[in-house]
Amino acid sequence: DTGVSQNPRHKITKRGQNVTFRCDPISEHNRLYWYRQTLGQGPEFLTYFQNEAQLEKSRLLSDRFSAERPKGSFSTLEIQRTEQGDSAMYLCASIKGSDQQAFFGQGTRLTVV
Amino acid sequence: GESVGLHLPTLSVQEGDNSIINCAYSNSASDYFIWYKQESGKGPQFIIDIRSNMDKRQGQRVTVLLNKTVKHLSLQIAATQPGDSAVYFCAENGSAGTYKYIFGTGTRLKVLA
Repeated sequence: DTGVSQNPRHKITKRGQNVTFRCDPISEHNRLYWYRQTLGQGPEFLTYFQNEAQLEKSRLLSDRFSAERPKGSFSTLEIQRTEQGDSAMYLCASIKGSDQQAFFGQGTRLTVV
Repeated sequence: GESVGLHLPTLSVQEGDNSIINCAYSNSASDYFIWYKQESGKGPQFIIDIRSNMDKRQGQRVTVLLNKTVKHLSLQIAATQPGDSAVYFCAENGSAGTYKYIFGTGTRLKVLA
């Protein structure tokens, strides 16, 4: 257990529905990252926060995706109008200060049917 | 559970032998590299990291070698154990200051009893 908690662990949803995932980073970590991982691939960067500010978003993050970190602690990732191509593992990671080592959560496995 | 990396390169080694997993990275400006181990259905787990001002770093049973000339990274696992069976990813710091990672193509390590 790295100390990064993600909920739910698994989510099955029908195409067109909205889903929201939550990430609780290690408490003193001010940087928080979202990655997406599909089968047979390494994780791909989606977006990151430093405290409550969202500082970068990947081109992978379409306008159906939105991420928030309102109080600089936990973060949510929402996907609106889900599509089958959204099926993936969504991973959250956190980093402390100017350290470079990221600690990953166990991920949320999304299946869109 | 669902498998990570169904079509990844696979390295099969006998229990007790040494394993060497290789990785090519993309950005000559990357200054930090990290190896993760990922078991099926779980998030990436930190193994070892190295900064670009080093060419070798050792941990417990693991060694990372960095060759910046050819942009190559390797992970050596000594006395491989069944519990080492997993998918291994290297990652580079893709952007100085943001610490977002670019992950390489993973390698599945199978330890034969």
